[in-house]
Amino acid sequence: AQTVTQSQPEMSVQEAETVTLSCTYDTSESDYYLFWYKQPPSRQMILVIRQEAYKQQNATENRFSVNFQKAAKSFSLKISDSQLGDAAMYFCAYRSSLTGANSKLTFGKGITLSVRP
Amino acid sequence: GAVVSQHPSRVICKSGTSVKIECRSLDFQATTMFWYRQFPKQSLMLMATSNEGSKATYEQGVEKDKFLINHASLTLSTLTVTSAHPEDSSFYICSANGLARPENEQFFGPGTRLTVL
Repeated sequence: AQTVTQSQPEMSVQEAETVTLSCTYDTSESDYYLFWYKQPPSRQMILVIRQEAYKQQNATENRFSVNFQKAAKSFSLKISDSQLGDAAMYFCAYRSSLTGANSKLTFGKGITLSVRP
Repeated sequence: GAVVSQHPSRVICKSGTSVKIECRSLDFQATTMFWYRQFPKQSLMLMATSNEGSKATYEQGVEKDKFLINHASLTLSTLTVTSAHPEDSSFYICSANGLARPENEQFFGPGTRLTVL
């Protein structure tokens, strides 16, 4: 079974600064997807960024980028130029590519990010 | 596009009654829907996977007779909490995979807060 580990329960960043959220995972599969989701106080889950394991290039979405280290099974999220609206709970998630539409997400425990004005 | 709705957003019920939560994909057909449960400051816990026209697959430890899931059409899945008790109070979230959507992405509903008195 796959596992996702987010070892830091909380982090804080100064507005406009950069912060990196850590995530490691364990799997015996070679093809899979990794995600970072944001859950603000409204509790709506928002997809931040997605990485396909077969792609060597790290995914980027505006101020959000990942450092994907497949051999190390590490998938960290970097938020640049942090904004007050980035304050939320962030979840790292894994999804196998083997079972198609039935493939479920495995979530980490999440990290609460606060942004200091 | 790719909107998932849930109804109701909040519900309060008395102990011993049953509550139904609806999950709808508004602009796409969902082959598979997932139901999660989330306690405050914790991660999402997958309860079950439902496929249109077939029985749901429950995760280990989830009571099938207590949490009834029906996926009657490609746009609607329902979760019924039967004989609810205060310990069932939680935030319930659904998500959906689409026929015409990338198979590697799930779209989340806004969640339903259940309070059992």
